[in-house]
Amino acid sequence: AQKVTQAQTEISVVEKEDVTLDCVYETRDTTYYLFWYKQPPSGELVFLIRRNSFDEQNEISGRYSWNFQKSTSSFNFTITASQVVDSAVYFCALVPQRYQKVTFGTGTKLQVIP
Amino acid sequence: EAQVTQNPRYLITVTGKKLTVTCSQNMNHEYMSWYRQDPGLGLRQIYYSMNVEVTDKGDVPEGYKVSRKEKRNFPLILESPSPNQTSLYFCASRPGTAYNEQFFGPGTRLTVL
Repeated sequence: AQKVTQAQTEISVVEKEDVTLDCVYETRDTTYYLFWYKQPPSGELVFLIRRNSFDEQNEISGRYSWNFQKSTSSFNFTITASQVVDSAVYFCALVPQRYQKVTFGTGTKLQVIP
Repeated sequence: EAQVTQNPRYLITVTGKKLTVTCSQNMNHEYMSWYRQDPGLGLRQIYYSMNVEVTDKGDVPEGYKVSRKEKRNFPLILESPSPNQTSLYFCASRPGTAYNEQFFGPGTRLTVL
């Protein structure tokens, strides 16, 4: 069985603060893929980043950065200098290569206050 | 324009009245999937399809049917809808390998009275 836990249901920050969204996963598969998606208030789901289980290199894209640690089964997402446009629900997802069933976390709602 | 389309976008129906939500993609993707989104529960996978005539259950398949007769279409069928199927439904597609991100449709808001 696989599981994705996003323990933070809602987070509020003031604009320009840094914020980290946590994602912890469970899987017995050795090859798997992790994703982050964003759902802004308009409702669409937008892909942000992917990681495979063999690539623990952290990644930075502008104000966004991701920290993948296999030892703690975590794939955390940090937004630096948050902006109002970052207000959204963020989902972490796990896909094992073996059978391709997708498991999403319950999401973290981020509110950035101006 | 590459996209996943769903119809209808909004639907109010009554218990027991069969309905179909259509999903179509124009990207020649092998993999298609249906999810439901409920408050506090996130996105849960209903069914997925690896290719034409190949479908498999996700985490919450009860009360739903799917078919994949053509590569571009993946309809979701509720043969006897019940109020607990009131939800926001998303269809998604991607190329065959699990490494690829999914492209999501705009969502269908379903209310079953």
